[in-house]
Amino acid sequence: EPEVTQTPSHQVTQMGQEVILRCVPISNHLYFYWYRQILGQKVEFLVSFYNNEISEKSEIFDDQFSVERPDGSNFTLKIRSTKLEDSAMYFCASSHMESPLHFGNGTRLTVT
Amino acid sequence: KNEVEQSPQNLTAQEGEFITINCSYSVGISALHWLQQHPGGGIVSLFMLSSGKKKHGRLIATINIQEKHSSLHITASHPRDSAVYICAVRTNFGNEKLTFGTGTRLTIIP
Repeated sequence: EPEVTQTPSHQVTQMGQEVILRCVPISNHLYFYWYRQILGQKVEFLVSFYNNEISEKSEIFDDQFSVERPDGSNFTLKIRSTKLEDSAMYFCASSHMESPLHFGNGTRLTVT
Repeated sequence: KNEVEQSPQNLTAQEGEFITINCSYSVGISALHWLQQHPGGGIVSLFMLSSGKKKHGRLIATINIQEKHSSLHITASHPRDSAVYICAVRTNFGNEKLTFGTGTRLTIIP
């Protein structure tokens, strides 16, 4: 069965650095999402992406964050000038029209 | 007040027991998801429903739109069902901008 693939599985970075989290969605899916889960808290929506542009974003998704689909297969989340509170598990997901979401296994980001 | 409330927060049961996890929400929705989060953190979609009832194997999900309530049932529970079960709601169409519940941690004892 096709899978959503996320890399790396764990990323450690220093405060102030930029990180790029990578995702390869399922190939025929049209909708792409990033969610995050701070340790011990509930999952939160960050952003949705459709037709090569952001379709919706949460209050969390400020100018520090950006998303890109650079080559038709990868879907990336860039976090600039990371802060300690950005430490979380970041999940990528994709879906086709009105179909269930497929999640990746997540990238655990640790900001030190 | 959270828009999505789940109960119970924790549930421990013996293998074979019938399990029910509840989800109540306070907003109008276009769909509701039940998700399973494994101990390693990965998330798997179990159901997406907007009305009625869905069944997959030993899992059954129901939703009552008028009462803004959904339930996830597991029949003949097994230790491998131990996980966190998360309810999440979608308030618009065509976009999975989901609002998540805090999850129910289920432990099935052999």
